[in-house]
Amino acid sequence: RKEVEQDPGPFNVPEGATVAFNCTYSNSASQSFFWYRQDCRKEPKLLMSVYSSGNEDGRFTAQLNRASQYISLLIRDSKLSDSATYLCVVNMVGTYKYIFGTGTRLKVLA
Amino acid sequence: NAGVTQTPKFRVLKTGQSMTLLCAQDMNHEYMYWYRQDPGMGLRLIHYSVGEGTTAKGEVPDGYNVSRLKKQNFLLGLESAAPSQTSVYFCASSYQGSTEAFFGQGTRLTVV
Repeated sequence: RKEVEQDPGPFNVPEGATVAFNCTYSNSASQSFFWYRQDCRKEPKLLMSVYSSGNEDGRFTAQLNRASQYISLLIRDSKLSDSATYLCVVNMVGTYKYIFGTGTRLKVLA
Repeated sequence: NAGVTQTPKFRVLKTGQSMTLLCAQDMNHEYMYWYRQDPGMGLRLIHYSVGEGTTAKGEVPDGYNVSRLKKQNFLLGLESAAPSQTSVYFCASSYQGSTEAFFGQGTRLTVV
């Protein structure tokens, strides 16, 4: 089993739609969680950190469920510019390592 | 606002050649990382460093060496390149091991 698993997609959604991605992690000792965005042939960039209480940044909402060991990302009112690959990233206690999922591709269609 | 800078951005090597990838960060970060990204595999950690003068192996260290002689620089070396090392290489840095990581723009390496 992979340490961090994501549905690769692609998720094809029309502009204005709401879309949600889930990510599961296997190590219960994981302490930090992030969603990164990666555009084609570009470097990953932080979209948002994920906090235990859940957090929101504009159209984006992230949730953490420690009991079930998954994190989610909700995108409301999708824009064409949201088309990208979304990477789930988990950091393990005391290891200084970031474990990346393989990413979920999103295509927002006009 | 340079952030994390990688050089070179592109390189083609012949099998058996050597090269060094340079990563420089200007954010005074302690932690630095080298990843490779291959289709369907996600980013995999090659080596990392938790401070000047220290390095450690990651998930896929074979065929690579690293050095962190200065806090701001992290070098990745390929002593004898192989076609299996064709990949996109990303350097990253973070203030602490559990905070946001910042990435360089990547190096596209092809070994023929």
